[in-house]
Amino acid sequence: AQTVTQSQPEMSVQEAETVTLSCTYDTSESDYYLFWYKQPPSRQMILVIRQEAYKQQNATENRFSVNFQKAAKSFSLKISDSQLGDAAMYFCAYRSFKAGAGSYQLTFGKGTKLSVIP
Amino acid sequence: DTEVTQTPKHLVMGMTNKKSLKCEQHMGHRAMYWYKQKAKKPPELMFVYSYEKLSINESVPSRFSPECPNSSLLNLHLHALQPEDSALYLCASSQYAGQGIDGYTFGSGTRLTVV
Repeated sequence: AQTVTQSQPEMSVQEAETVTLSCTYDTSESDYYLFWYKQPPSRQMILVIRQEAYKQQNATENRFSVNFQKAAKSFSLKISDSQLGDAAMYFCAYRSFKAGAGSYQLTFGKGTKLSVIP
Repeated sequence: DTEVTQTPKHLVMGMTNKKSLKCEQHMGHRAMYWYKQKAKKPPELMFVYSYEKLSINESVPSRFSPECPNSSLLNLHLHALQPEDSALYLCASSQYAGQGIDGYTFGSGTRLTVV
């Protein structure tokens, strides 16, 4: 079974600064998908960024980028130019590449609560 | 329309009540999901529907009964719930179940309180 670990329960960042959220995972599979979701107080889970394990290139979405280290099983999220609206709970998630029931399941980490200081 | 809409946003029910949660999407997604999220915890998968058929039931108690009347609509019928069932119930959808890198689109959830 896969596990996802987010070792930072809470983090804070000054507005306009850069912050990196950590995520490590454990899997025996060679192909899989990784995601970062944001959950603000409005409760909706919002997809921030996604990465295919078989792609070497790190994914980027505007101010959000990842550092994907497949050998180290690490998938950190970097937020540049932090804004007040970035304050939220951030969840790292894993999904299997294989077809079948296992690939329906998103395995989430426990989350990192990010605060943005004005 | 790129949203998943859930109603109601808040629900308080007694342990003998019967209520239903509703989820709707018009993105043409063929997979829909119910997740349960307790406070300060990640979401936990309850059910997966693929092409309107139940594909996954993660050993959920029978007091939760899902229904998928059509490809756009997903219901969760609640009956004889316990106080420990109080949680945020999230609905999500994706293009297909378990295929490709499409991330799930989540609704804003229903905050359920069982008294």
